[in-house]
Amino acid sequence: GQQLNQSPQSMFIQEGEDVSMNCTSSSIFNTWLWYKQDPGEGPVLLIALYKAGELTSNGRLTAQFGITRKDSFLNISASIPSDVGIYFCAGSIINYGQNFVFGPGTRLSVLP
Amino acid sequence: DTAVSQTPKYLVTQMGNDKSIKCEQNLGHDTMYWYKQDSKKFLKIMFSYNNKELIINETVPNRFSPKSPDKAHLNLHINSLELGDSAVYFCASSQPDRGRTSYNEQFFGPGTRLTVL
Repeated sequence: GQQLNQSPQSMFIQEGEDVSMNCTSSSIFNTWLWYKQDPGEGPVLLIALYKAGELTSNGRLTAQFGITRKDSFLNISASIPSDVGIYFCAGSIINYGQNFVFGPGTRLSVLP
Repeated sequence: DTAVSQTPKYLVTQMGNDKSIKCEQNLGHDTMYWYKQDSKKFLKIMFSYNNKELIINETVPNRFSPKSPDKAHLNLHINSLELGDSAVYFCASSQPDRGRTSYNEQFFGPGTRLTVL
């Protein structure tokens, strides 16, 4: 079946640093989503990408839909303590059933 | 107002019992989902319903039976609970937009942490 890989698995950074994480797949996707999950909460959508090559920003977050449609990256600039959490990528093919595949997540820790 | 709500938030029960988790969304979405998140935080889709009809049924034991009384509700009933069912279960909803074929962002509930003893 379809699988997504995320790297790094976890990262520790200093407050104020920029962060980059990515997501790769063996299959082509037509939608890439990036979610953040805080402890004890459900994932919250950060950015949605619909076209190959698309670059989208949401505040300090920037994400890109890879040209090959098999990858995506998420950058966070000037990290702050509340950026701590698990970041998931999710991909879907054009499918009325809305079948999403989630990556295993990147766990981000921000040190003051 | 909570967009996607689940009850209960925590559920602790004995092996062999039958339990239900409820989910409601007030977003007017047509599609609802159940996901299971294991201890390693891996999220896996279990079911998807569109307008009360089953769309996706991944490889899930038939002890799990979703029920959608209307498009705003998708409940999950689990029979004969096993230790391996312990996980966090998330409900989600989305509104497919066929005019924009890849518009299918999902909104998640807060999760139900199920512990089977």
